[in-house]
Amino acid sequence: GDSVTQMEGPVTLSEEAFLTINCTYTATGYPSLFWYVQYPGEGLQLLLKATKADDKGSNKGFEATYRKETTSFHLEKGSVQVSDSAVYFCALSGTAGTASKLTFGTGTRLQVTL
Amino acid sequence: DGGITQSPKYLFRKEGQNVTLSCEQNLNHDAMYWYRQDPGQGLRLIYYSQIVNDFQKGDIAEGYSVSREKKESFPLTVTSAQKNPTAFYLCASSIPTGRSSGANVLTFGAGSRLTVL
Repeated sequence: GDSVTQMEGPVTLSEEAFLTINCTYTATGYPSLFWYVQYPGEGLQLLLKATKADDKGSNKGFEATYRKETTSFHLEKGSVQVSDSAVYFCALSGTAGTASKLTFGTGTRLQVTL
Repeated sequence: DGGITQSPKYLFRKEGQNVTLSCEQNLNHDAMYWYRQDPGQGLRLIYYSQIVNDFQKGDIAEGYSVSREKKESFPLTVTSAQKNPTAFYLCASSIPTGRSSGANVLTFGAGSRLTVL
């Protein structure tokens, strides 16, 4: 079945450092790939997505490129801020009729310090 | 503003009790979902519904039940048969796949934290 593997956290960085959170996947077909972010005590928010190979999703300075050859969708940001502290989830979409069944990774907690 | 409202935010349950978590959306989305979140395990799908009066089991449906009598509402009941119900529960919704490029994007509520005493 489909699966998503994320690097384990927590990841602790100083403000303005470069961020990479690794994500690899196993899936049949050509899924869409997503990064969601969860701030403390809240639900998940979509951060970015890519729907086909070589697509780059970007939002709020974060980027991720859909690499079919390496089945990866690594999240990057050039300069993190304290406000980026959150849990980041990589996910891929399967389909079930007209519903979207997302398979999530275990999440990576990011802590950014001054 | 459109969105998903989950209630209650915090809920305490004694062993052997059934509890129902509410999920209401005003996004006019057809599909709705319930996920369970446990530390270190990410999110796991409990049930989902593509349309009113229809729903399917997800990966961990045992001990849970749902109904979909209205498009806007998808309540989740955690029954006494659920052996380890303490968790954070997230409701989500989406437009049908294939309808637009926005398909496959889930909108989440703020969650309900259930603790069994």
